[in-house]
Amino acid sequence: SQQGEEDPQALSIQEGENATMNCSYKTSINNLQWYRQNSGRGLVHLILIRSNEREKHSGRLRVTLDTSKKSSSLLITASRAADTASYFCATVASNDYKLSFGAGTTVTVRA
Amino acid sequence: DAGVIQSPRHEVTEMGQEVTLRCKPISGHDSLFWYRQTMMRGLELLIYFNNNVPIDDSGMPEDRFSAKMPNASFSTLKIQPSEPRDSAVYFCASSLGQGFRSPLHFGNGTRLTVT
Repeated sequence: SQQGEEDPQALSIQEGENATMNCSYKTSINNLQWYRQNSGRGLVHLILIRSNEREKHSGRLRVTLDTSKKSSSLLITASRAADTASYFCATVASNDYKLSFGAGTTVTVRA
Repeated sequence: DAGVIQSPRHEVTEMGQEVTLRCKPISGHDSLFWYRQTMMRGLELLIYFNNNVPIDDSGMPEDRFSAKMPNASFSTLKIQPSEPRDSAVYFCASSLGQGFRSPLHFGNGTRLTVT
Protein backbone atom coordinates (compact mmCIF):
# COMPACT_ATOMS: atom_id res chain seq x y z
CA SER A 1 0.00 0.00 0.00
CA GLN A 2 1.07 3.59 -0.50
CA GLN A 3 2.89 4.49 2.70
CA GLY A 4 5.42 7.11 3.57
CA GLU A 5 8.56 6.16 5.40
CA GLU A 6 10.05 8.78 7.68
CA ASP A 7 13.73 9.20 8.32
CA PRO A 8 15.20 9.37 10.90
CA GLN A 9 13.07 7.32 13.30
CA ALA A 10 14.19 9.53 16.17
CA LEU A 11 15.85 12.91 16.47
CA SER A 12 17.19 14.73 19.52
CA ILE A 13 18.15 18.39 19.26
CA GLN A 14 18.88 21.39 21.45
CA GLU A 15 16.31 24.12 21.82
CA GLY A 16 16.88 26.76 19.17
CA GLU A 17 18.30 24.34 16.62
CA ASN A 18 16.55 23.34 13.42
CA ALA A 19 15.04 19.89 12.97
CA THR A 20 14.72 18.22 9.60
CA MET A 21 12.93 14.98 8.86
CA ASN A 22 12.31 13.27 5.57
CA CYS A 23 9.55 11.18 4.07
CA SER A 24 9.83 8.86 1.09
CA TYR A 25 6.93 7.21 -0.70
CA LYS A 26 6.49 4.65 -3.43
CA THR A 27 3.96 5.73 -6.06
CA SER A 28 2.67 8.98 -7.51
CA ILE A 29 0.55 11.02 -5.14
CA ASN A 30 -2.30 13.50 -5.12
CA ASN A 31 -1.07 15.16 -1.95
CA LEU A 32 1.20 14.68 1.03
CA GLN A 33 0.30 15.76 4.55
CA TRP A 34 2.33 16.22 7.73
CA TYR A 35 0.85 15.67 11.18
CA ARG A 36 2.15 16.09 14.72
CA GLN A 37 1.21 13.89 17.67
CA ASN A 38 1.99 14.86 21.22
CA SER A 39 2.20 12.08 23.77
CA GLY A 40 -1.25 10.78 24.68
CA ARG A 41 -3.04 13.00 22.20
CA GLY A 42 -4.52 12.79 18.74
CA LEU A 43 -2.78 13.82 15.54
CA VAL A 44 -2.80 17.47 14.58
CA HIS A 45 -2.63 18.49 10.94
CA LEU A 46 0.34 20.72 10.09
CA ILE A 47 0.61 21.18 6.34
CA LEU A 48 -0.90 19.72 3.16
CA ILE A 49 1.16 19.99 -0.01
CA ARG A 50 -0.26 19.03 -3.38
CA SER A 51 1.63 17.17 -6.06
CA ASN A 52 1.99 20.32 -8.19
CA GLU A 53 3.50 22.32 -5.32
CA ARG A 54 7.16 22.31 -4.37
CA GLU A 55 7.30 24.19 -1.10
CA LYS A 56 4.94 25.46 1.60
CA HIS A 57 5.46 27.41 4.78
CA SER A 58 3.47 27.71 7.97
CA GLY A 59 5.04 29.71 10.76
CA ARG A 60 8.29 27.95 11.71
CA LEU A 61 7.48 24.98 9.48
CA ARG A 62 8.72 24.50 5.95
CA VAL A 63 7.73 21.55 3.79
CA THR A 64 9.26 20.67 0.47
CA LEU A 65 8.09 18.10 -2.05
CA ASP A 66 10.19 16.51 -4.77
CA THR A 67 7.92 14.29 -6.84
CA SER A 68 10.80 13.15 -9.07
CA LYS A 69 12.50 11.66 -6.01
CA LYS A 70 9.22 10.74 -4.35
CA SER A 71 10.28 12.48 -1.19
CA SER A 72 9.30 15.29 1.13
CA SER A 73 11.00 17.05 4.00
CA LEU A 74 9.70 18.88 7.05
CA LEU A 75 11.91 21.56 8.58
CA ILE A 76 11.17 23.02 11.99
CA THR A 77 13.21 26.16 12.55
CA ALA A 78 14.29 27.53 15.94
CA SER A 79 12.86 24.52 17.77
CA ARG A 80 11.20 24.83 21.16
CA ALA A 81 10.57 22.32 23.93
CA ALA A 82 6.90 22.35 22.88
CA ASP A 83 7.92 20.90 19.50
CA THR A 84 8.73 17.61 21.23
CA ALA A 85 6.36 15.17 19.54
CA SER A 86 6.08 12.49 16.87
CA TYR A 87 5.76 13.73 13.31
CA PHE A 88 4.01 11.70 10.64
CA CYS A 89 3.84 12.07 6.91
CA ALA A 90 0.78 10.74 5.14
CA THR A 91 0.10 10.36 1.45
CA VAL A 92 -2.90 10.09 -0.82
CA ALA A 93 -1.95 8.12 -3.90
CA SER A 94 -3.04 9.37 -7.32
CA ASN A 95 -4.92 6.14 -8.03
CA ASP A 96 -6.45 5.83 -4.60
CA TYR A 97 -8.24 8.00 -2.11
CA LYS A 98 -7.03 6.69 1.23
CA LEU A 99 -4.57 8.50 3.48
CA SER A 100 -1.68 6.22 4.43
CA PHE A 101 0.54 7.12 7.36
CA GLY A 102 4.21 6.39 7.90
CA ALA A 103 5.67 5.15 11.15
CA GLY A 104 6.69 8.63 12.27
CA THR A 105 9.76 10.49 13.50
CA THR A 106 10.04 11.09 17.23
CA VAL A 107 11.56 14.50 17.91
CA THR A 108 12.91 15.44 21.33
CA VAL A 109 13.87 19.06 21.92
CA ARG A 110 16.19 19.47 24.91
CA ALA A 111 15.96 22.66 26.93
CA ASP B 1 -14.84 24.79 17.88
CA ALA B 2 -14.75 21.89 20.34
CA GLY B 3 -12.93 19.61 17.97
CA VAL B 4 -13.59 15.90 17.59
CA ILE B 5 -14.77 14.44 20.88
CA GLN B 6 -14.20 10.82 21.79
CA SER B 7 -15.35 8.86 24.79
CA PRO B 8 -14.28 7.19 26.91
CA ARG B 9 -10.61 8.25 27.06
CA HIS B 10 -9.61 4.98 28.62
CA GLU B 11 -11.36 1.62 28.65
CA VAL B 12 -10.19 -1.48 30.44
CA THR B 13 -12.23 -4.61 29.90
CA GLU B 14 -11.95 -8.34 30.11
CA MET B 15 -11.69 -10.62 27.15
CA GLY B 16 -15.09 -11.53 25.77
CA GLN B 17 -16.81 -8.33 26.85
CA GLU B 18 -18.47 -5.89 24.49
CA VAL B 19 -16.77 -2.53 24.03
CA THR B 20 -18.37 0.57 22.52
CA LEU B 21 -16.33 3.60 21.56
CA ARG B 22 -18.03 6.88 20.76
CA CYS B 23 -17.23 9.85 18.57
CA LYS B 24 -18.71 13.26 17.92
CA PRO B 25 -17.21 14.83 14.79
CA ILE B 26 -16.75 18.52 14.16
CA SER B 27 -20.04 20.14 13.25
CA GLY B 28 -20.38 20.55 9.49
CA HIS B 29 -17.80 17.91 8.61
CA ASP B 30 -19.20 15.28 6.27
CA SER B 31 -16.47 12.63 6.43
CA LEU B 32 -15.65 10.52 9.45
CA PHE B 33 -12.86 8.00 9.93
CA TRP B 34 -11.95 5.44 12.57
CA TYR B 35 -8.25 4.61 12.94
CA ARG B 36 -6.39 2.22 15.23
CA GLN B 37 -2.85 2.90 16.43
CA THR B 38 -0.44 0.30 17.79
CA MET B 39 3.32 0.23 18.13
CA MET B 40 3.57 -2.78 15.84
CA ARG B 41 1.27 -1.66 13.02
CA GLY B 42 1.18 2.11 13.32
CA LEU B 43 -1.97 3.90 12.22
CA GLU B 44 -4.49 1.73 10.41
CA LEU B 45 -7.70 2.96 8.80
CA LEU B 46 -10.62 0.85 9.98
CA ILE B 47 -13.60 2.49 8.30
CA TYR B 48 -14.55 5.66 6.44
CA PHE B 49 -18.02 7.28 6.36
CA ASN B 50 -19.18 10.04 4.05
CA ASN B 51 -22.53 11.73 4.74
CA ASN B 52 -23.21 9.03 7.37
CA VAL B 53 -22.82 6.22 4.82
CA PRO B 54 -20.00 3.67 5.19
CA ILE B 55 -17.85 4.02 2.09
CA ASP B 56 -14.96 1.71 2.89
CA ASP B 57 -14.84 -0.81 5.73
CA SER B 58 -12.09 -2.96 4.26
CA GLY B 59 -9.85 -2.15 7.21
CA MET B 60 -12.21 -3.59 9.80
CA PRO B 61 -10.25 -6.56 11.16
CA GLU B 62 -13.06 -9.08 11.41
CA ASP B 63 -16.73 -9.53 12.11
CA ARG B 64 -16.20 -8.75 15.77
CA PHE B 65 -15.84 -5.09 14.76
CA SER B 66 -18.78 -2.97 13.66
CA ALA B 67 -19.27 0.76 13.20
CA LYS B 68 -22.35 2.91 12.83
CA MET B 69 -23.08 6.51 12.08
CA PRO B 70 -26.79 7.08 12.78
CA ASN B 71 -26.53 10.83 12.18
CA ALA B 72 -24.04 13.51 11.24
CA SER B 73 -23.01 14.18 14.83
CA PHE B 74 -22.40 10.72 16.24
CA SER B 75 -20.59 7.50 15.45
CA THR B 76 -19.81 4.33 17.37
CA LEU B 77 -17.24 1.60 16.98
CA LYS B 78 -18.19 -1.65 18.68
CA ILE B 79 -16.07 -4.70 19.40
CA GLN B 80 -17.93 -7.84 20.42
CA PRO B 81 -16.43 -9.99 21.79
CA SER B 82 -13.21 -8.19 22.63
CA GLU B 83 -9.83 -9.95 22.61
CA PRO B 84 -6.43 -8.96 24.09
CA ARG B 85 -5.06 -8.30 20.58
CA ASP B 86 -7.64 -5.52 20.21
CA SER B 87 -5.69 -3.47 22.76
CA ALA B 88 -4.73 -0.23 21.02
CA VAL B 89 -5.55 3.45 20.83
CA TYR B 90 -8.61 4.06 18.68
CA PHE B 91 -8.92 7.44 16.99
CA CYS B 92 -11.86 9.08 15.34
CA ALA B 93 -11.21 11.84 12.80
CA SER B 94 -13.43 14.04 10.68
CA SER B 95 -12.93 16.25 7.66
CA LEU B 96 -14.80 18.51 5.29
CA GLY B 97 -15.23 17.08 1.84
CA GLN B 98 -15.16 13.64 0.38
CA GLY B 99 -12.22 11.35 0.83
CA PHE B 100 -8.81 12.20 2.15
CA ARG B 101 -7.96 15.30 0.16
CA SER B 102 -8.70 17.65 3.03
CA PRO B 103 -6.92 17.72 6.39
CA LEU B 104 -8.18 15.29 9.00
CA HIS B 105 -9.08 16.51 12.47
CA PHE B 106 -8.42 13.85 15.09
CA GLY B 107 -9.90 13.33 18.52
CA ASN B 108 -7.66 12.48 21.45
CA GLY B 109 -8.41 8.80 21.15
CA THR B 110 -9.66 5.99 23.35
CA ARG B 111 -6.97 3.79 24.87
CA LEU B 112 -8.44 0.29 25.01
CA THR B 113 -6.91 -2.42 27.15
CA VAL B 114 -8.36 -5.90 26.94
CA THR B 115 -7.14 -8.28 29.64
